[in-house]
Amino acid sequence: GQNIDQPTEMTATEGAIVQINCTYQTSGFNGLFWYQQHAGEAPTFLSYNVLDGLEEKGRFSSFLSRSKGYSYLLLKELQMKDSASYLCAVRDRMNSGYSTLTFGKGTMLLVSP
Amino acid sequence: GAVVSQHPSRVICKSGTSVKIECRSLDFQATTMFWYRQFPKQSLMLMATSNEGSKATYEQGVEKDKFLINHASLTLSTLTVTSAHPEDSSFYICSARPSGAGHARTGNTIYFGEGSWLTVV
Repeated sequence: GQNIDQPTEMTATEGAIVQINCTYQTSGFNGLFWYQQHAGEAPTFLSYNVLDGLEEKGRFSSFLSRSKGYSYLLLKELQMKDSASYLCAVRDRMNSGYSTLTFGKGTMLLVSP
Repeated sequence: GAVVSQHPSRVICKSGTSVKIECRSLDFQATTMFWYRQFPKQSLMLMATSNEGSKATYEQGVEKDKFLINHASLTLSTLTVTSAHPEDSSFYICSARPSGAGHARTGNTIYFGEGSWLTVV
């Protein structure tokens, strides 16, 4: 199984930059995902990392270090609509060949004016 | 982009009855689909991995006989909650990964359905 840790809550100001960290422990790492989830809605895909380094996509960037079992999601130029829960999810490839996707508990980000 | 449709979006059923939730990939084939459950203010918890043409793989603590999963085709997986109880009331979400995504970075995106709110009364 996996052990995925991320902060429970974070607050930031509109226009600022925020970094949400995620650490994980897994045996068959096969990729790390970041999702955004607004209350009552399904998660929406933000980013995917499988190799070390930084992936940039507009205002969102995600970083991965496989040796450290560490990832972060960087949000720039924060907007009020960015207030949501951000979920770190790790994919494990099982011995059976199939993969599972396990989510962290999510980080609730509150953006204030 | 790829779309996963989940139906129904909301359902209320009586205690002791069964309810079926469908998950369809509309414009891609998915060998593997995932079923999650999410209680209020909690993260998604993987219930089972649904594999087309074979038995689903259930996570520890999830009752196979209570949560029946059928993945009869490459575009459809169903979750049936049998003999539902009020504690089964939850938000159920499916996700699907396009078959043959290989190692393409964007191809590893996993698409989620809209979720189904189940209320057992």
